[in-house]
Amino acid sequence: DAGITQSPRHKVTETGTPVTLRCHQTENHRYMYWYRQDPGHGLRLIHYSYGVKDTDKGEVSDGYSVSRSKTEDFLLTLESATSSQTSVYFCAISEQESTGELFFGEGSRLTVL
Amino acid sequence: SQQGEEDPQALSIQEGENATMNCSYKTSINNLQWYRQNSGRGLVHLILIRSNEREKHSGRLRVTLDTSKKSSSLLITASRAADTASYFCATPNAGNMLTFGGGTRLMVKP
Repeated sequence: DAGITQSPRHKVTETGTPVTLRCHQTENHRYMYWYRQDPGHGLRLIHYSYGVKDTDKGEVSDGYSVSRSKTEDFLLTLESATSSQTSVYFCAISEQESTGELFFGEGSRLTVL
Repeated sequence: SQQGEEDPQALSIQEGENATMNCSYKTSINNLQWYRQNSGRGLVHLILIRSNEREKHSGRLRVTLDTSKKSSSLLITASRAADTASYFCATPNAGNMLTFGGGTRLMVKP
């Protein structure tokens, strides 16, 4: 299994509070991604990174920010969580861009009350 | 918006039968990938087929790609209860990032 660890795995928080999800990889892959998975929507890309300090927006980036200060860590921050951000968040990594296989973490289930 | 869409949304079969899932996409692609997700777990890569390939096999999996129809199919032969999972197709979008369809939920009954 690819070395990807997401933390926390489960979190319940209240509307308006900040939340940070962490993705840690031991594979030294260049690309890292954050997706959210919701019923009826499949997986949607939030943000991605193509190197240290190099990030870009995905399909559903509003309300989210990311940071990548080290190759192995990719942080997803919800500055002020809303109920619409209740979801399961998946981190993924790949060696190549669109032609590369994605390796996924086990997911972080976030509930915003 | 989603690039790929799977059909059917749900499929229930008996063990030993074959399962076929389809994926349609909107724009030209250089590759298409299939992933599997067991309940409560992350996605796992199954197979990648390039735009210049028409068919690819991996064990009990057979994937076809028809670029003229912008569609792909995933066939699982001689299904087992352990194949119960959701299956997703993924294609690169205009920004070259992989986008996923809504998935097909496969139930294989023992």
